[in-house]
This record gives sequence, C-alpha cells and structure tokens, in this order.
Amino acid sequence: GAVVSQHPSRVICKSGTSVKIECRSLDFQATTMFWYRQFPKKSLMLMATSNEGSKATYEQGVEKDKFLINHASLTLSTLTVTSAHPEDSSFYICSAIGAGGNYGYTFGSGTRLTVV
Amino acid sequence: GESVGLHLPTLSVQEGDNSIINCAYSNSASDYFIWYKQESGKGPQFIIDIRSNMDKRQGQRVTVLLNKTVKHLSLQIAATQPGDSAVYFCAEIPSGSARQLTFGSGTQLTVLP
Repeated sequence: GAVVSQHPSRVICKSGTSVKIECRSLDFQATTMFWYRQFPKKSLMLMATSNEGSKATYEQGVEKDKFLINHASLTLSTLTVTSAHPEDSSFYICSAIGAGGNYGYTFGSGTRLTVV
Repeated sequence: GESVGLHLPTLSVQEGDNSIINCAYSNSASDYFIWYKQESGKGPQFIIDIRSNMDKRQGQRVTVLLNKTVKHLSLQIAATQPGDSAVYFCAEIPSGSARQLTFGSGTQLTVLP
C-alpha cells in the first residue's frame, strides 16, 4: 500500500532557529501534499496544501513566511519552521494523495517539535 | 458503548463489547467521508471510507453508517479489543474543496480489560 515517510519523528530546537521537516511518498507520486498541525488532545488543523511545482496554498491565519513549504518533486515536500518560538511547539503531520482521482489519503507518522 | 462526538469526547467500553463512535459533520456538500484511528504520537491511520451515495459500508470488524439527512456519521467496532484504544476522527471532503480533508474533533476510545 501507499506509504508516506516523515522525518524527523522528534526534534528539539532552540528559540530563533529553523527546523525542516520532510515528507516523502515512498511508492507513489504525490501530486498533492497537505500539512497539518495538531495540539494535544485536539483535532488536526490544516495548515497548507501544496501541489508539486507550484506555490503552497495556506489556510487563513497560517503565516506563510514562518511556515515555508516546498514541494519540488512528486515524492518530497518539506515544511520549514523559521525562527521557531515555544508557541510553535506542536505535532506536525503531512499527508499525500496521488493523481487520477485517487482518494487514498496517506499520512506520515508525524513530527513532535519542541522549541526551548 | 456509544459516544456523541463533540459532547462526549471519551468513550470507555469493555473488551469484547461493540463500540459506536458518532460524528456530526458540518457540510451538506461533502461527498466523501473517512474514519481514521490515531494512536498516541502517531499519524492517523485509515480505517474505512464511504461515499455520499451509500448509507452503509462494512469492513473487517468495522461498519460505517452515513445519514445525510441529519449529517451524521457513525463508526461501529465489533468485539472491541485493547488494540482498538485510540482517538478516532471522522473526516469529510466537501465537493469542490481541492480534495482537502476537514477533521472532526475526535473521540478517545478506551477499552477496559
């Protein structure tokens, strides 16, 4: 089945530094990838949608200059949290879908970001 | 045991009993629905899906029911096992939404020995 690999699974960084999270589709071409943020005991909140080769579409209230998304290939999307602050600490999850009307949303295993 | 998603975010059932997890979705234009299971510290795992032209779909030990009249979705788990303990989310895709999933608030299922 479709597999999405997300790395790192956990990261701790200092305030003011940047962190990059990778999301890879291992056995299919992901034309669209989604990035979510999840707070403890809360649901997933969509941050942005990225299509390969084009700029990401951000949801209202999500700072595009803070959460940089790159989807340069059909198998890789990255989320960079720039100048991270403690309030950026959260669980970040990606998902990917393929082309041709495939509704097979596959999620990565998530990244726990802690900013100290 | 049975839950009403937004008002009863936790559900505890005895091992071996059937579980019913409910979800009230928001958009009458949604045409595709998915149930996900999320264990602590992990990403959501697909359980079962259903399209709006159906009202019931069955999988292995799970059944999803869709009532479009009242915008209600339920997940039934038969013979609940300890490994079923997790948070369960319903998700909907409104037609014309660029295939974006909208997640419900989730229900924590705890299976008691």
